[in-house]
Amino acid sequence: KNQVEQSPQSLIILEGKNCTLQCNYTVSPFSNLRWYKQDTGRGPVSLTIMTFSENTKSNGRYTATLDADTKQSSLHITASQLSDSASYICVVSVPGNLIFGKGTKLSVKP
Amino acid sequence: EAQVTQNPRYLITVTGKKLTVTCSQNMNHEYMSWYRQDPGLGLRQIYYSMNVEVTDKGDVPEGYKVSRKEKRNFPLILESPSPNQTSLYFCASRGGFSTDTQYFGPGTRLTVL
Repeated sequence: KNQVEQSPQSLIILEGKNCTLQCNYTVSPFSNLRWYKQDTGRGPVSLTIMTFSENTKSNGRYTATLDADTKQSSLHITASQLSDSASYICVVSVPGNLIFGKGTKLSVKP
Repeated sequence: EAQVTQNPRYLITVTGKKLTVTCSQNMNHEYMSWYRQDPGLGLRQIYYSMNVEVTDKGDVPEGYKVSRKEKRNFPLILESPSPNQTSLYFCASRGGFSTDTQYFGPGTRLTVL
């Protein structure tokens, strides 16, 4: 069964600290892996898209990694800001569909 | 500005009263889809469309209909809403390639009493 598991479910960090969110998937066939940021009550916004052959992609303070062999991805946030408080969703693409993880809720405190 | 719009943003209705949630995109995207988001379940795909007059079921299509008569519009129709369709709904669109960025609308919060 195609599944995307994210951990932790929630995370609280202090402003300025770094953090890493995890995503494990059991999806086949694999097209690409995406990370989205979703502010409360708003639509998700794309952060990164990685294909099978890419193992790192950055978008400002966000860096995503992909290990296609172990079927794991991570999203690293550097020097967190209050505006990083949101849910971060890992999504794996298969032909014709996107398999969504349930997200990690990040709270950045001053 | 590239965007996906949805209307209405909020809707409270009663069981059995037909409703339509509109979705429109201005990016000439081929691929459009509808999702619902429920607490603890994440986003689940309802229907998707790969082009005009081409639609297909997603993971949770029961109780929903869609149409794609024009490239820019992809309305979601609930013929006879029930309380278990109370949810937050998102429309999304992207270009024709699987690596294209997917853009989501702002969401429609639907309550069925």
